[in-house]
Amino acid sequence: DTAVSQTPKYLVTQMGNDKSIKCEQNLGHDTMYWYKQDSKKFLKIMFSYNNKELIINETVPNRFSPKSPDKAHLNLHINSLELGDSAVYFCASSPRLAGLETQYFGPGTRLLVL
Amino acid sequence: AQTVTQSQPEMSVQEAETVTLSCTYDTSESDYYLFWYKQPPSRQMILVIRQEAYKQQNATENRFSVNFQKAAKSFSLKISDSQLGDAAMYFCAYRSAPYSGGSNYKLTFGKGTLLTVNP
Repeated sequence: DTAVSQTPKYLVTQMGNDKSIKCEQNLGHDTMYWYKQDSKKFLKIMFSYNNKELIINETVPNRFSPKSPDKAHLNLHINSLELGDSAVYFCASSPRLAGLETQYFGPGTRLLVL
Repeated sequence: AQTVTQSQPEMSVQEAETVTLSCTYDTSESDYYLFWYKQPPSRQMILVIRQEAYKQQNATENRFSVNFQKAAKSFSLKISDSQLGDAAMYFCAYRSAPYSGGSNYKLTFGKGTLLTVNP
């Protein structure tokens, strides 16, 4: 069984479009995250939710809106896509917000904006 | 804010030999966690090893071990008996510990080291 899953795995779209990426974890974790990995492989956190509550918002443009309908899901909606949004987006989860426990990462969603 | 520096963009090693990947970090916190993650071409992020700052003993996981030097703020990863499957991008990461005074508990990553294993 996949612990953290993301859909879609690949997303190709035109500038200006709106798109969503879905994430689900079946680990029973309280905390979920979205990371962006750019073309140089630099991985940076975007958002973190703990028990459906937004905890971390790392100066991400407000075109990006996370939504957590329940603890097992954290979706990412992106409005008015720009070329610079092209990246790999990773969802992750951890048992709780603070602690030594590892974060479990999803397989990533490669977004290409044309 | 914490920063993590990996000074080696690329490294290579012969199969069965040992390689060390370097990582330094900057923090004013006294307690924190350090991690090494591996990202193979499949893009999956996989935890390799982790260390709690208040534990002086270096963490070990099979062929992977760390050299944690708290005073020097250094956290290097040693891979022994390198295997072809070890080829990947390796990321060092930092996370504040609870009650450390950090503002949040995000993982801060270094820019990664691409490890090539030569047969």
